[in-house]
Amino acid sequence: GAGVSQSPSNKVTEKGKDVELRCDPISGHTALYWYRQSLGQGLEFLIYFQGNSAPDKSGLPSDRFSAERTGGSVSTLTIQRTQQEDSAVYLCASSEWLGEGKLFFGSGTQLSVL
Amino acid sequence: RKEVEQDPGPFNVPEGATVAFNCTYSNSASQSFFWYRQDCRKEPKLLMSVYSSGNEDGRFTAQLNRASQYISLLIRDSKLSDSATYLCVVRNSGNTPLVFGKGTRLSVIA
Repeated sequence: GAGVSQSPSNKVTEKGKDVELRCDPISGHTALYWYRQSLGQGLEFLIYFQGNSAPDKSGLPSDRFSAERTGGSVSTLTIQRTQQEDSAVYLCASSEWLGEGKLFFGSGTQLSVL
Repeated sequence: RKEVEQDPGPFNVPEGATVAFNCTYSNSASQSFFWYRQDCRKEPKLLMSVYSSGNEDGRFTAQLNRASQYISLLIRDSKLSDSATYLCVVRNSGNTPLVFGKGTRLSVIA
């Protein structure tokens, strides 16, 4: 079956522009997560969604970052007024349920802010 | 102190060697522990869960020491294909996201 799908795989943008990153999780997975990974750094948690519950936004680094998950499936991460420090690989993952330790990651979106 | 700390390596070992990585975590209330593997420019994938009694999966053995708050991963008879970054991962409670260490890089050399 299909895994977690992310698009675009690469995004180059200019400082100050807005970007949208898309994630299509594995069908039936109720939990969806966004992480980001900067060069040489570990995965930094951004936000997660669990079913119809309010998302946990505790990892979002600033109010320029937002995310939504429509219909319990596809999620979009939006970064407004991008800054150079936003450059990173943005990884989406899904799991059958929130407490599950096995996350299935997409291949990520490499975001470069010039 | 970071929540999950790992020696970044790299560990360069010959094929067939045994290699061990340790990881420490800061939250004594942490509940679940895992090792993930991340190949170069690829996404992380679950390698194995770590149970209190220790567990083994083929050439891989994971141990948990709650008193000292550290987790270990032992790889026996290393293969070239084991070359990757190994991420130590902790969950603090049932409804919190996984916390990832920065990883330990392993290179197995022929």
